[in-house]
Amino acid sequence: DIVMTQSPDSLAVSLGERATINCKSSQTVLYSSTNKNYLAWYQQKPGQPPKLLIYWASTRESGVPDRFSGSGSGTDFTLTIGSLQAEDVAVYYCHQYYDTPYTFGQGTKLEIK
Amino acid sequence: EVQLVQSGAEVKKPGESLKISCKGSGYTFSSYWIAWVRQMPGKGLEWMGIIFPGDSDTRYSPSFQGQVTISADKSVNSAYLQWSSLKASDTAMYYCAIMRGVSNWFDPWGQGTLVTVSS
Repeated sequence: DIVMTQSPDSLAVSLGERATINCKSSQTVLYSSTNKNYLAWYQQKPGQPPKLLIYWASTRESGVPDRFSGSGSGTDFTLTIGSLQAEDVAVYYCHQYYDTPYTFGQGTKLEIK
Repeated sequence: EVQLVQSGAEVKKPGESLKISCKGSGYTFSSYWIAWVRQMPGKGLEWMGIIFPGDSDTRYSPSFQGQVTISADKSVNSAYLQWSSLKASDTAMYYCAIMRGVSNWFDPWGQGTLVTVSS
């Protein structure tokens, strides 16, 4: 199984400041024949299902604010929130869909400082 | 609008059986995979399995193989997750989600079905 490890487990950032969440996979999720990283990011607010933010590691889903961005390749990935807003308080998960069993990171809880 | 609507919350006793549903609308249900994901109280997301309603091709996570059954009925645009004998450890929120292909992200997600197993 591909193990996804996020850091940190929790994060407190001031409004308007940058938040950075890291995700490391135990093996590559870059598929050589497509040159795509099979990595997505989701946001889950309390009492709600997860919401897709980013796929192919860096492609923003339609309607997602441009303060959210994804980067990285191979085994190391980052989700960056450029200027934290109050509505960004949530738990964020990375997810590899490179191979079954599909796996998620343990989640990073983002709060306002 | 593409959406998945899941059946309501359930409270069951250990040993009982259960089948929960996930109904798709706004798209060709038989053409896209449906994934099931478990979230235990206060915990993270765990992939359980996927089904392609067009031909009922089903794949399970090894962690859930033999523990649950995933099925689909394309005539009513619905996928199902069922247990033959529930345990207290099955208490969790269960989500379904659309996958556009086998190697693809999950989007959108259903609202979730809370299953509580308690004596």
